Amino acid sequence: GENVEQHPSTLSVQEGDSAVIKCTYSDSASNYFPWYKQELGKRPQLIIDIRSNVGEKKDQRIAVTLNKTAKHFSLHITETQPEDSAVYFCAASGAGRRALTFGSGTRLQVQP
Amino acid sequence: GAGVSQTPSNKVTEKGKYVELRCDPISGHTALYWYRQSLGQGPEFLIYFQGTGAADDSGLPNDRFFAVRPEGSVSTLKIQRTERGDSAVYLCASSLTGAGGNTGELFFGEGSRLTVL
Repeated sequence: GENVEQHPSTLSVQEGDSAVIKCTYSDSASNYFPWYKQELGKRPQLIIDIRSNVGEKKDQRIAVTLNKTAKHFSLHITETQPEDSAVYFCAASGAGRRALTFGSGTRLQVQP
Repeated sequence: GAGVSQTPSNKVTEKGKYVELRCDPISGHTALYWYRQSLGQGPEFLIYFQGTGAADDSGLPNDRFFAVRPEGSVSTLKIQRTERGDSAVYLCASSLTGAGGNTGELFFGEGSRLTVL
C-alpha cells in the first residue's frame, strides 16, 4: 500500500519568514496530494491540494509543488503569521483508491 | 447540520467492554471515512464507505473492529473487547465523491476521543 513520509516533525520560524514542509510517497499511481492543517484540539481542514497533472499550485501565501519523478511534494508558506501555527499533514491517494494516506505531521510554530 | 457530526465527543470505558461511535456525514456526501489518530501522529486510515458498502476496509486492525452504514448516511464504528491500545481519537470524514475525485475534499468531524482504562 501507499506510504507517506513527512519531515521535519517540528519547525520553528520567525514571523514573516518562509516555512517549507516536505513529503515523499511510495505509490507511483498516486495522483492526488492534499495538505491539511490541524489546530490544537480541532479537526483537520484542507488548505490546498494538487493533482498529478500539474507541478505547482499557489493560493495567496501558500503554494504546493509536486515532483512526480522523484515522488515528492512540498508545502511552502510565505510571510508566516502566528495564526499559521498548527500541525500540518500531507496526504496522498491513488487511482482507484479513494482513501487518503497521511504523513505523520509537522508541528509549525511561528514566533512573533 | 452543516458539518460532519460525531458522537460521543468523549468516551471512557473499561478494558474488555464494547463501544459504538457514531458519525453523521454532510448531507449528500456518498463517501464516508473512519480514521484513528493517536497523539502526535497523522490520521490512520481504517475504512471507507461508498454509499452503503465498504469500498475499502483494509485499515481495520483486527476483527474486533467493525463499521456499518446501512442507509448510506449515518455510520457506526463498533469496537468489541476494547484494549488499552485502542485509546485514540476516532475521526470521521465525508466527501462528495471520494478523495481524488473532482470534488474529493474530505470534511472531518471533531472526533470521538476514546479512552480505555
